[in-house]
Amino acid sequence: DAKTTQPNSMESNEEEPVHLPCNHSTISGTDYIHWYRQLPSQGPEYVIHGLTSNVNNRMASLAIAEDRKSSTLILHRATLRDAAVYYCILRGSGTYKYIFGTGTRLKVLA
Amino acid sequence: SQTIHQWPATLVQPVGSPLSLECTVEGTSNPNLYWYRQAAGRGLQLLFYSVGIGQISSEVPQNLSASRPQDRQFILSSKKLLLSDSGFYLCAWSVTYRTTVITDTQYFGPGTRLTVL
Repeated sequence: DAKTTQPNSMESNEEEPVHLPCNHSTISGTDYIHWYRQLPSQGPEYVIHGLTSNVNNRMASLAIAEDRKSSTLILHRATLRDAAVYYCILRGSGTYKYIFGTGTRLKVLA
Repeated sequence: SQTIHQWPATLVQPVGSPLSLECTVEGTSNPNLYWYRQAAGRGLQLLFYSVGIGQISSEVPQNLSASRPQDRQFILSSKKLLLSDSGFYLCAWSVTYRTTVITDTQYFGPGTRLTVL
């Protein structure tokens, strides 16, 4: 299974944009890049996913490098409710498994 | 709309006692079902997944087992709990979309916090 590497923690000020990086240098051509986040004492929730092109939804944007070896989750205006652990996951087409790493703990400062 | 239920929400059990955690999904058919465990301060560890009734794949050999007696019901069991079984147990479901590349999105339940004493 391809692995991802994320910083352990990041801080952001409220109302400012946040860029959460993820490296996945061993990604295969059919691996989707998924992002989930986990608020304290809750199960993870889906944020966004993409394959090659950049993606936008109501929660965030996903910027994927041209070589697909890295990606960045962008929260356009961080709020206190965005404080969570963010997981970057590669979802292979030949498997039903998600492999969660340790993620990035985002702290949002008021 | 689809919903996923887990119970109980919290559980305190002595070492050596049995365990049964239940997960049910409503509003979808033939979902993929998953059991994860999260130790305190750690990431999620996939324990079991199922792509159909009676089909269980185990990811980590241990004293836990899983069963899927009905299409939208997934049960996690143990005959004898260990201290190391303590953690936050999460059930998830997904439906696989088969286009040019297979992908899906997982939806997680509220979890069961298990403490083994």
